[in-house]
Amino acid sequence: EVQILESGGGLVQPGGSLRLSCAASGFTFMDYAMTWVRQAPGKGLELVSLISSTGGTTFYADSVKGRFTISRDNSKNTLYLQMNSLRADDTAVYYCAKGQRTAVTNNWFDPWGQGTLVTVSS
Amino acid sequence: DIQMTQSPSTLSASVGDRVTITCRASQSISNWLAWYQQKPGKAPKVLIYKASSLESGVPSRFSGSGSGTEFTLTISGLQPDDFATYYCQQYNSYAYAFGQGTKLEIK
Repeated sequence: EVQILESGGGLVQPGGSLRLSCAASGFTFMDYAMTWVRQAPGKGLELVSLISSTGGTTFYADSVKGRFTISRDNSKNTLYLQMNSLRADDTAVYYCAKGQRTAVTNNWFDPWGQGTLVTVSS
Repeated sequence: DIQMTQSPSTLSASVGDRVTITCRASQSISNWLAWYQQKPGKAPKVLIYKASSLESGVPSRFSGSGSGTEFTLTISGLQPDDFATYYCQQYNSYAYAFGQGTKLEIK
């Protein structure tokens, strides 16, 4: 059974940093692109970042470019999101999800983890 | 960037009804479209991919159609478990985009 489990969320002050982790199991992690998608309270879905199966290609939403860094450790079946210079509008549930291809293009996402809440507030 | 516009934003319906949700892309995305269902406090779950392919395990009352810029998700014979929020997602380009969501409510 495929399982995806996010961790690392919490309360952080504006300008602070946080690192999210996503542990995956039940599939060959190194064969699939992975993504982070966030959902602000009461709002819709926003793709934050995407990484190819090897980690060689990444994509970022304009809203996080230069502040967030996606990475993966295929030896540990784990995806990461390093979030720096956090702002109040980064407050959201952050979901990790599995792509359907090795490349960053032409992916839909399934399954998703349960999400981890990041709150940016003083 | 490609923009996705869903309609309606809210839809009220009864158990047994047939409902249709529309998603329009600002430019052609071929058939690179997925539909997700999300229930309160839960992660989204894919229902349809490549515009019309039913994900394994999803009931056959869900169907998708369309190509280019206009797409529909149809639920035939609404069940109580179907009342949720639905999102479309284009994956034609790097700049993946979701629609703003359609909340399906019980009438």
